[in-house]
Amino acid sequence: EAQVTQNPRYLITVTGKKLTVTCSQNMNHEYMSWYRQDPGLGLRQIYYSMNVEVTDKGDVPEGYKVSRKEKRNFPLILESPSPNQTSLYFCASSFSPVNNSPLHFGNGTRLTVT
Amino acid sequence: AQSVTQLGSHVSVSEGALVLLRCNYSSSVPPYLFWYVQYPNQGLQLLLKYTSAATLVKGINGFEAEFKKSETSFHLTKPSAHMSDAAEYFCAVSDRVKAAGNKLTFGGGTRVLVKP
Repeated sequence: EAQVTQNPRYLITVTGKKLTVTCSQNMNHEYMSWYRQDPGLGLRQIYYSMNVEVTDKGDVPEGYKVSRKEKRNFPLILESPSPNQTSLYFCASSFSPVNNSPLHFGNGTRLTVT
Repeated sequence: AQSVTQLGSHVSVSEGALVLLRCNYSSSVPPYLFWYVQYPNQGLQLLLKYTSAATLVKGINGFEAEFKKSETSFHLTKPSAHMSDAAEYFCAVSDRVKAAGNKLTFGGGTRVLVKP
């Protein structure tokens, strides 16, 4: 089944403890992206990747890192999480990086930082 | 920068009634336009998209949306609501001329409640 898989689904951590949220897609998609969802704000882009070894900042990149060493994987790294990073995170991918290629979303990771 | 406004964070409709969700965008050049739906504890699914063909776009589950350039709007409708339509709906735009790939700018979302 074609899908975007995120892990974990739920994560509770403490301020400053490094964590990684994994994202993997099995559709051979070139483009991958991370979003965070907060009530009333919709989804905001954190980072994106046009292809392997090509990543760039989105609208809210502060406090996050990403890497794209393989086409299928796009992990999100929080080196020193803070409470304002408590949010619902979504990984998404599309076949092409062009602007009208539909995005496929994972089921989300709910992160709580205390 | 692009912006998307969804009027009403919550909408309540009766089963069988019309569903109307409003979306306005700000852009001098008409962007690509999308509607996504999010069911509880799930990711977003594409309902429909407008690129540059017909202004009335039909999507899945009986939804449709009409692009009106003069009003910079892309409202979503469904003639008859079903209980299974209870979800959160997001309008999103993608800049046609932007070089930063497939970035979507989302509205704040509208949560739809369907009453029996």
